[in-house]
Amino acid sequence: EVQLLESGGGLVQPGGSLRLSCAASGFTFSTYAMSWVRQAPGKGLEWVSSITNNGGNTYYADSVKGRFTISRDNSKNTVYLQLNSLRAEDTAVYYCAKAVATTGGHFENWGRGTLVTVSS
Amino acid sequence: DIQMTQSPSTLSASVGDIVTITCRASQSISTWLAWYQQKPGKAPKVLIFKASGLESGVPSRFSGSGSGTEFTLTISSLQPDDFATYYCQQYHSYPVTFGQGTKLQIK
Repeated sequence: EVQLLESGGGLVQPGGSLRLSCAASGFTFSTYAMSWVRQAPGKGLEWVSSITNNGGNTYYADSVKGRFTISRDNSKNTVYLQLNSLRAEDTAVYYCAKAVATTGGHFENWGRGTLVTVSS
Repeated sequence: DIQMTQSPSTLSASVGDIVTITCRASQSISTWLAWYQQKPGKAPKVLIFKASGLESGVPSRFSGSGSGTEFTLTISSLQPDDFATYYCQQYHSYPVTFGQGTKLQIK
């Protein structure tokens, strides 16, 4: 059974940093692209970032480009999202999602999410 | 970037109804479209991939169609468990984009 477990969320002040982690199990992690999708309170889904299976390519939404960094450690079956220069509008539940292919595709599995709150 | 526009934003229906949700892409995405269902406090769940492919374990009352820029999700014979919010998503190219969502509520 595929499992994705996010961690690292919490309360942070504007301008601060956090690192989110997503520990994966139940599949061959190094075979699939991974992504982060967020959802602000009461709002819709917003794709944040994706990384190909070997980490060779990364993609970002314009809203986070230059502030967030996605990475993965295939030896630890974990994908990360480093959040820097956080703003109030980054407040959201951050979901980790597994794609169906090495470079992308739809998201067939999702974690439960981790809440990031940016507030002073 | 490819914009995805869903309609309606809210839909009221009764158990047993047939409902259709529409998603329009700002440019052709072939059939690189997925539909997700999300219930309050839960992660999204994929229903349909590649415009019309039914995800394993999803009831057959869910169906998807379309190609290019126009897509539909149809739920035949609504069940109580189907009242949720639905999102379309294009994965033709990065940045991946979602529609704004359609909230399906009980009439």
